[in-house]
Amino acid sequence: DGGITQSPKYLFRKEGQNVTLSCEQNLNHDAMYWYRQDPGQGLRLIYYSQIVNDFQKGDIAEGYSVSREKKESFPLTVTSAQKNPTAFYLCASSVGRASGTDTQYFGPGTRLTVL
Amino acid sequence: AQSVSQHNHHVILSEAASLELGCNYSYGGTVNLFWYVQYPGQHLQLLLKYFSGDPLVKGIKGFEAEFIKSKFSFNLRKPSVQWSDTAEYFCAVTTSGSARQLTFGSGTQLTVLP
Repeated sequence: DGGITQSPKYLFRKEGQNVTLSCEQNLNHDAMYWYRQDPGQGLRLIYYSQIVNDFQKGDIAEGYSVSREKKESFPLTVTSAQKNPTAFYLCASSVGRASGTDTQYFGPGTRLTVL
Repeated sequence: AQSVSQHNHHVILSEAASLELGCNYSYGGTVNLFWYVQYPGQHLQLLLKYFSGDPLVKGIKGFEAEFIKSKFSFNLRKPSVQWSDTAEYFCAVTTSGSARQLTFGSGTQLTVLP
């Protein structure tokens, strides 16, 4: 069954702790993305990766870090430097065409609450 | 940088009513345009997209959208909505200057009353 998995679905952390969100895809896609979704603000791009061992900052990268050691995996770490980390986090992947016409496929999301 | 505006934040319709959701973007060059939908409890998924050719594009579930370059718009339409169309709808764009970065609008919540 092809798709994108994110775990866990809900995550609670204390303020000041780093937390890592998992994203795995078995679609053989080159490109992967992390978005943050807040009510009334749509989706905002945090980081994206076009190929293994390479990634670029999106619009709101401050306080986040990523790695891309394997094609199928793109974990996101929310660090203590992120001022307002409570949000819904979505991972996506796509074939990775340079034309910008790709369809992105999304995971189910992780809702992070920082107490 | 490009931006996308969706002016309708929440739309409420009765079943069988016609739907039009507005989407405007700000970028003067070549664009690729998308509508994504998030049904309650489901993954965000693609409804339709436009990147060239006929400016009227058809998507899944009877939705269509029209690209009007002179108005920088890509409005989503459906002639007769159903209760199952209740969802949040997002317009998004990639541009020739930022082809790998999808920029989303703030979304429109559509509620269809039975």
